[in-house]
Amino acid sequence: DAGVIQSPRHEVTEMGQEVTLRCKPISGHNSLFWYRQTMMRGLELLIYFNNNVPIDDSGMPEDRFSAKMPNASFSTLKIQPSEPRDSAVYFCASSPRTGNDYGYTFGSGTRLTVV
Amino acid sequence: AQSVTQLGSHVSVSEGALVLLRCNYSSSVPPYLFWYVQYPNQGLQLLLKYTSAATLVKGINGFEAEFKKSETSFHLTKPSAHMSDAAEYFCAVSGGGKSTFGDGTTLTVKP
Repeated sequence: DAGVIQSPRHEVTEMGQEVTLRCKPISGHNSLFWYRQTMMRGLELLIYFNNNVPIDDSGMPEDRFSAKMPNASFSTLKIQPSEPRDSAVYFCASSPRTGNDYGYTFGSGTRLTVV
Repeated sequence: AQSVTQLGSHVSVSEGALVLLRCNYSSSVPPYLFWYVQYPNQGLQLLLKYTSAATLVKGINGFEAEFKKSETSFHLTKPSAHMSDAAEYFCAVSGGGKSTFGDGTTLTVKP
């Protein structure tokens, strides 16, 4: 099992540009989560999907952020336009099923720097 | 709303000493609790979880945690610290299908 795969590992972009982060969850996992990690705010849940359907996007900062999960093996998080305050490490995580009793498997993250 | 509070953002121990990382939770229902470890430039890795089966939970790398309802605590311990334990540790509570993480505790192990 290759684990949760995120790409790219690092992204440096200029303010105003569109950024797309990608995630491949573990095969068979039904739940997918996008988190953002910063020194100031810690780990914040942005959005999560169950069976490819967005369940809770209340953590998405603003309309500049959008996320999709077109199938069980792929998800994207898009920021358009990007701003310097979006600089953070973005993690994707997956879980075997819907529910509270399973932990998550995290990807290695994408470190985004907006200049 | 559920939440966890990690007491102490930095903990330093000597190699071979006891490791104790503190976590208190707030939950209106029986909680599901987790500890994760994060090494530099990596994602979080699940150490152990409490799902009401047993109050003392054993995890990977020699770590264990004890659920104490009366104290609303879920502290993480390891009898003897190793240099490789140096990392950041996160406590988390799960509810409504999603997990909320604490602010993390950075563990330093001195030789």
